[in-house]
Amino acid sequence: GENVEQHPSTLSVQEGDSAVIKCTYSDSASNYFPWYKQELGKGPQLIIDIRSNVGEKKDQRIAVTLNKTAKHFSLHITETQPEDSAVYFCAASITGTASKLTFGTGTRLQVTL
Amino acid sequence: GAVVSQHPSRVICKSGTSVKIECRSLDFQATTMFWYRQFPKQSLMLMATSNEGSKATYEQGVEKDKFLINHASLTLSTLTVTSAHPEDSSFYICSARDQGLRTDTQYFGPGTRLTVL
Repeated sequence: GENVEQHPSTLSVQEGDSAVIKCTYSDSASNYFPWYKQELGKGPQLIIDIRSNVGEKKDQRIAVTLNKTAKHFSLHITETQPEDSAVYFCAASITGTASKLTFGTGTRLQVTL
Repeated sequence: GAVVSQHPSRVICKSGTSVKIECRSLDFQATTMFWYRQFPKQSLMLMATSNEGSKATYEQGVEKDKFLINHASLTLSTLTVTSAHPEDSSFYICSARDQGLRTDTQYFGPGTRLTVL
């Protein structure tokens, strides 16, 4: 089955700096890669996703890149703000087959003032 | 994005009792919903896939007789933890699959914190 690895497990950046979280997946058939943000005591919130027919997607301060050949994808947050502090999870799935998500282990991002 | 609700948000029960958790997709129909369990500082662990009008599909190691799932309508799935014990205490999160012509995305509920005394 699919295996998703995520690094780093913790990340501390100063406000205004950029943050990058990286994930690798094992199943070359995976074609959908969402990123979720989870605040303490809450459910995960979808922040951006990318499908295998594109290499990069951007939404304001958040961008995701996908390298299908290397089987890795990354989340980039620019101009970080304290409210970006949370746990971020990457995931991978094969759409059209019940779309079960395989999650990475999570990255705890701390944005300091 | 789409909205998924869960009820209750928090429940405390005595050992041996059963607890029902509801998951609703509020602005879309979901033929497929998922139930996850999350322990502190860990990732989400998929427990089962809930299919409207049919039996749920459970992940390996998840007891189907202990975690009863019912998906009776396109907007509601329920998870019942039967004869709960302290080791069942956890954060339970559902997600609903929004599947259309140009979309196939999972949206998560806010989670239910279960504490079994």
